[in-house]
Amino acid sequence: KNQVEQSPQSLIILEGKNCTLQCNYTVSPFSNLRWYKQDTGRGPVSLTIMTFSENTKSNGRYTATLDADTKQSSLHITASQLSDSASYICVVSGNFNKFYFGSGTKLNVKP
Amino acid sequence: DTGVSQDPRHKITKRGQNVTFRCDPISEHNRLYWYRQTLGQGPEFLTYFQNEAQLEKSRLLSDRFSAERPKGSFSTLEIQRTEQGDSAMYLCASSLSVGSSSYEQYFGPGTRLTVT
Repeated sequence: KNQVEQSPQSLIILEGKNCTLQCNYTVSPFSNLRWYKQDTGRGPVSLTIMTFSENTKSNGRYTATLDADTKQSSLHITASQLSDSASYICVVSGNFNKFYFGSGTKLNVKP
Repeated sequence: DTGVSQDPRHKITKRGQNVTFRCDPISEHNRLYWYRQTLGQGPEFLTYFQNEAQLEKSRLLSDRFSAERPKGSFSTLEIQRTEQGDSAMYLCASSLSVGSSSYEQYFGPGTRLTVT
């Protein structure tokens, strides 16, 4: 069964600290993996997209990694800011028209 | 603004009423997706269009739900005889698909439906 599991479900960190969010998937065949940031009450916004051959990709303070062998991805946030408080959703594309969404990790950055 | 837009942003309706949502995708995008998202969960796929053709529907899309994209541009999602369980955020996304390649999905801000 094609699934995307994210952990932790929620996370509280202090402003300025780093954190890492995890995504494990069983989707096959694999096309690409995306991380989205979703602010409360808004639509998701893309942070990174990685294909099978890419191990890491950065977008500012966000760095995503992908291990296609173990089917794991992580999103590392460096020097967190209050505006990073949001849900982070991992999405795996199985083929050109199938997208599998994780339930998200809700991050709360406190001052 | 050239992003995906959705209207209305919020809708409160009484159980049993019909509601219709509209999505305007990015103009050159040929794919349009509808998702439903409940609190604390990721979006769940409902249906998608390639141009005006509805190519796939999730089993989540009961007979009370219907979606159209008549001219391959904007799309509407109608829910008939709404139930309290329909309360959710309804998200629209669009993307460009060329051959077997599909590119980034861009999401709209969503329509939050509350059924009382």
